[in-house]
Amino acid sequence: KQEVTQIPAALSVPEGENLVLNCSFTDSAIYNLQWFRQDPGKGLTSLLLIQSSQREQTSGRLNASLDKSSGRSTLYIAASQPGDSATYLCAVNDNNDMRFGAGTRLTVKP
Amino acid sequence: GAVVSQHPSRVICKSGTSVKIECRSLDFQATTMFWYRQFPKKSLMLMATSNEGSKATYEQGVEKDKFLINHASLTLSTLTVTSAHPEDSSFYICSARGDRGNYGYTFGSGTRLTVV
Repeated sequence: KQEVTQIPAALSVPEGENLVLNCSFTDSAIYNLQWFRQDPGKGLTSLLLIQSSQREQTSGRLNASLDKSSGRSTLYIAASQPGDSATYLCAVNDNNDMRFGAGTRLTVKP
Repeated sequence: GAVVSQHPSRVICKSGTSVKIECRSLDFQATTMFWYRQFPKKSLMLMATSNEGSKATYEQGVEKDKFLINHASLTLSTLTVTSAHPEDSSFYICSARGDRGNYGYTFGSGTRLTVV
């Protein structure tokens, strides 16, 4: 059974700092991996989707990488802003369903 | 892009009553829909997978008689919480996956259920 782990559980950084969120998964037989953002009490916003054949995806200040063989993905956020404060969830799709990590709660201080 | 509409966004109900949550794919056909539950400060936990026209597949530990899932059409799935109890209070989110494309999932905006 696929298990997804996210480290760290919480992160607090000053505005402007670059940061990396980590995600690891136990079964490398995946279709794709998706990074989401969740604001308190809200649903999920999809940030980046990486197919199993891809190594990375970029959108604005966000860059996600995927190393399927080692079961790892990272989400890089450049020049962080207070508006980036949220919980970031990593989810792995093995074509049967999605499995989520517990998330990283990010706080960017002005 | 693909949009999933979930309704209601918030609901408060009395213990013992039933609540229905709807999940609609607005611009694509969703052969498979998923229902998740999220406890405070926890990640999403898959409750069940529903395929259009067939019975839902429930995850271990999820009571199928309590959480009724219907996926009668390619654009609509419903989750009914029957005989709700305060411990059912949670955040419920649906997601849909279409037939084609990149197999990315689209999520609804979630439903905050409070049972009093």
